[in-house]
Amino acid sequence: TQLLEQSPQFLSIQEGENLTVYCNSSSVFSSLQWYRQEPGEGPVLLVTVVTGGEVKKLKRLTFQFGDARKDSSLHITAAQPGDTGLYLCAGGTGRRALTFGSGTRLQVQP
Amino acid sequence: DAGVIQSPRHEVTEMGQEVTLRCKPISGHNSLFWYRQTMMRGLELLIYFNNNVPIDDSGMPEDRFSAKMPNASFSTLKIQPSEPRDSAVYFCASSQGYSNEKLFFGSGTQLSVL
Repeated sequence: TQLLEQSPQFLSIQEGENLTVYCNSSSVFSSLQWYRQEPGEGPVLLVTVVTGGEVKKLKRLTFQFGDARKDSSLHITAAQPGDTGLYLCAGGTGRRALTFGSGTRLQVQP
Repeated sequence: DAGVIQSPRHEVTEMGQEVTLRCKPISGHNSLFWYRQTMMRGLELLIYFNNNVPIDDSGMPEDRFSAKMPNASFSTLKIQPSEPRDSAVYFCASSQGYSNEKLFFGSGTQLSVL
């Protein structure tokens, strides 16, 4: 069974702060996706990384895939209240369905 | 374009009753997934179909759960009989290709079994 653990589970910060969320596994993934989920809605894809060491930026969000393709991080610069939500990483291998991480619930206070 | 459509949005039922959840994937998508989300266990895959054929149903909890995809535009997830521990949010998602493609999720069905 492929497991993805995310840390921290919960994070409450003030607007303008920076933060990093981690996604770790003992398994190798061919790709890793990050989703954000808002209350009452389904997760929405933010980014997909496929190459070990890859870094992708989406405005104030920076995503990195570990060199060994077992871990990933999401860094948010100058967090805003609109960043509030549940952040989920998801790993894919071959034709198996995505395995989702346990999630990080972020609250950004104005 | 319409996204993934799930119905109902909310379902409250009594233990022992049959529950049927419905999903209409995005037109042209080949894969359909059913996930269950709870605070304790997070987002868990129940089953996924590719071209209407079940590919992986190892996440289906037990015989009380069954899923069908009679055509490319419709799928159902049935629980019979339902139990309180089935209470969760059930999501349907679809993707254009195989399982590792970008997933598009519906808004989910909040199920409460009393």
